Amino acid sequence: GAVVSQHPSRVICKSGTSVKIECRSLDFQATTMFWYRQFPKQSLMLMATSNEGSKATYEQGVEKDKFLINHASLTLSTLTVTSAHPEDSSFYICSARASGQGLSGNTIYFGEGSWLTVV
Amino acid sequence: QKEVEQDPGPLSVPEGAIVSLNCTYSNSAFQYFMWYRQYSRKGPELLMYTYSSGNKEDGRFTAQVDKSSKYISLFIRDSQPSDSATYLCAMTDSGYSTLTFGKGTMLLVSP
Repeated sequence: GAVVSQHPSRVICKSGTSVKIECRSLDFQATTMFWYRQFPKQSLMLMATSNEGSKATYEQGVEKDKFLINHASLTLSTLTVTSAHPEDSSFYICSARASGQGLSGNTIYFGEGSWLTVV
Repeated sequence: QKEVEQDPGPLSVPEGAIVSLNCTYSNSAFQYFMWYRQYSRKGPELLMYTYSSGNKEDGRFTAQVDKSSKYISLFIRDSQPSDSATYLCAMTDSGYSTLTFGKGTMLLVSP
C-alpha cells in the first residue's frame, strides 16, 4: 500500500517551546492531509484537515494558533505545536488522501505517528 | 447517540478462533466503510475498505456491510497471536470528506 512517513517518531521538548512534526506522502500526491490526536486507549480525534495551498480547517475546540498546520506541497504537511505544555503530550498521527478517482484513489493512509512528551 | 459505536473490548480469543468485530452507525449518508488495524504505539494500517452494502474477502479477513441495519462487521478466520491489536472501523460519505472512527476494539489472541 501507499506509504506515509511521519517524523520525528518521538520528541521530548521543554514546556514553552515549539515542536514541528512532518508528514510526507512518499509514493503518491496527497491533496488532503489530516492531523489527529490520540490519547492512550482512546480513538483518533481529528484536529484539522489541510488542503494543499490553502488554510487548514480546524475542528471545533482545536486552537489554530497553538497547532499551526502548513501544507505547502502535495507531499508534505507540517504540524507545529507552539508554546507546548505538558497537557499537549500525546500521540499525533497524520493521514493523507491520495488524489484520484474511485475508492482506491481516495483511500486514506496513515503515518506511523509521533509521540510528543512535554516536560 | 454517537455517530459510530464500537465495543472497546478487550476481546480475548484462543489462536485459531474466528473473530467477529462490529460497528453500528447512525448516519445514513455513510457510503464508504473501512477497517484499520492499530498496533500499540503505531499508526493505523488500512486493512479493508468496502463501498455500500455487501461482502469483501481478502485472505483471512472478510468485511461485511449491511446498510439497512447500519451495521458493519470484520471477520478474522484462523486468528493468530499477531492479529492482537486494536481494530478501528471508519466510514465516510460520498464526498469522502473526513473519516468518522469508532473507538476501536482491542483484540487479544492467545497462543
